Amino acid sequence: DVKVTQSSRYLVKRTGEKVFLECVQDMDHENMFWYRQDPGLGLRLIYFSYDVKMKEKGDIPEGYSVSREKKERFSLILESASTNQTSMYLCASKDRRSYEQYFGPGTRLTVT
Amino acid sequence: AQRVTQPEKLLSVFKGAPVELKCNYSYSGSPELFWYVQYSRQRLQLLLRHISRESIKGFTADLNKGETSFHLKKPFAQEEDSAMYYCALIPGTYKYIFGTGTRLKVLA
Repeated sequence: DVKVTQSSRYLVKRTGEKVFLECVQDMDHENMFWYRQDPGLGLRLIYFSYDVKMKEKGDIPEGYSVSREKKERFSLILESASTNQTSMYLCASKDRRSYEQYFGPGTRLTVT
Repeated sequence: AQRVTQPEKLLSVFKGAPVELKCNYSYSGSPELFWYVQYSRQRLQLLLRHISRESIKGFTADLNKGETSFHLKKPFAQEEDSAMYYCALIPGTYKYIFGTGTRLKVLA
C-alpha cells in the first residue's frame, strides 16, 4: 500500500518566516509533486521532481522552491512566507511508468 | 490551450437520485482522463480512469471525444458519496491539469 506522508497537518507561520514542508513516500517512486489546493481554484501544480536532484517549475512556482536530495523525500520551501500563501498544500508521488498519482494527507498552512 | 472545466461548484441531490458530475476538457491530442475524489478529512484518491472502463463504487465515466467530455455518473446516489470530486487531464507523463472541483452533497 502506497504511503505518502507530510510532516505537519496544520502549520501557522508569520509573514516573512522561512517555511519548510516535508513529504516522504515509501514506494520508491521516481516522480514527486507539490500542489496547492484552494477553494474554487482546484489543484495547482507548484513544482515537480522527476528524479533525485531534478526539479521542474509547475504553473505557480513564484515564491516557492524545492529540494529533492533523496528519492523518498521532496521538500517545499517558502523563502519568505506571505499571507497569500495561506493554503492547503498537497504532496503526491507516482511511478515514472504510471499515470496514477498518490497523495499525502495535506498540510494546511496559515500565514498571519 | 489545455484546460479542464467543471462547471458546477456544488451539486446537491437527494439520496437515491441519479448523479452526473460534468467535466469538459480542451486538448488536441488523445486524452488521458481521471476522476479523483476527496472524502471529508481524507486524502485525495483515484476514483477511476477512462481507459479502464470499469465501475468503481457504482460510478462510471465515459469519454466522449466529440463533445470533449468525461462526465461522472451514478444511477442512485448514496450519502457516503458526498465528497469533493476533481476531473483531471493528463497531457504528458508529469503534467496533470485538474479542474476546479465539484462538491457533491447527497441529502437524506
